[in-house]
Amino acid sequence: DAGVIQSPRHEVTEMGQEVTLRCKPISGHDYLFWYRQTMMRGLELLIYFNNNVPIDDSGMPEDRFSAKMPNASFSTLKIQPSEPRDSAVYFCASSLRQQGVYEQYFGPGTRLTVT
Amino acid sequence: AQSVTQLGSHVSVSEGALVLLRCNYSSSVPPYLFWYVQYPNQGLQLLLKYTSAATLVKGINGFEAEFKKSETSFHLTKPSAHMSDAAEYFCAVRSKAAGNKLTFGGGTRVLVKP
Repeated sequence: DAGVIQSPRHEVTEMGQEVTLRCKPISGHDYLFWYRQTMMRGLELLIYFNNNVPIDDSGMPEDRFSAKMPNASFSTLKIQPSEPRDSAVYFCASSLRQQGVYEQYFGPGTRLTVT
Repeated sequence: AQSVTQLGSHVSVSEGALVLLRCNYSSSVPPYLFWYVQYPNQGLQLLLKYTSAATLVKGINGFEAEFKKSETSFHLTKPSAHMSDAAEYFCAVRSKAAGNKLTFGGGTRVLVKP
């Protein structure tokens, strides 16, 4: 399996621009997670989906952030408008229930820099 | 509510020495516990997991962890450090009460000295 795929790997944009991050989960996995990692705040769960339906978006920082999962093999995280404080590494992860463990597999991340 | 505390944000060990990374958790119900490793500029990779079977769990790359309910701990060890073990390590907890959400500790960065 190719693992979780994220694109782009690096994104540099100017403040105020729209940013879209993309994720392809592992085939057959029914959960998808978006995380943000910064030096100051560590790893934060932003939102997660089960069978393409958002289950918990309590970690989404504000209305500028939105996430969609139109089908089982694709998800996007959009920031509009972007701000310098959004600079971080964004990870996507997917999981499949196996004996109730829900082991999560992470993608390589997208490093976002907002100038 | 569930939470994880990793003692020590940085650990320095000599090559060949014991690696010990500490993790304490808080969970209102029996948890599932995980250790992940993150190499520079990469995503997180699962090292090992505790799923209420054996309390001593063996993982990849020679790492193991022991679940101690009385101490609410899940410390990670490796008998002999290798240069390739230099990375950041994260402890995480998931309980059924929290759905499928993982709560991560703050991470411990391991430096291996030759």
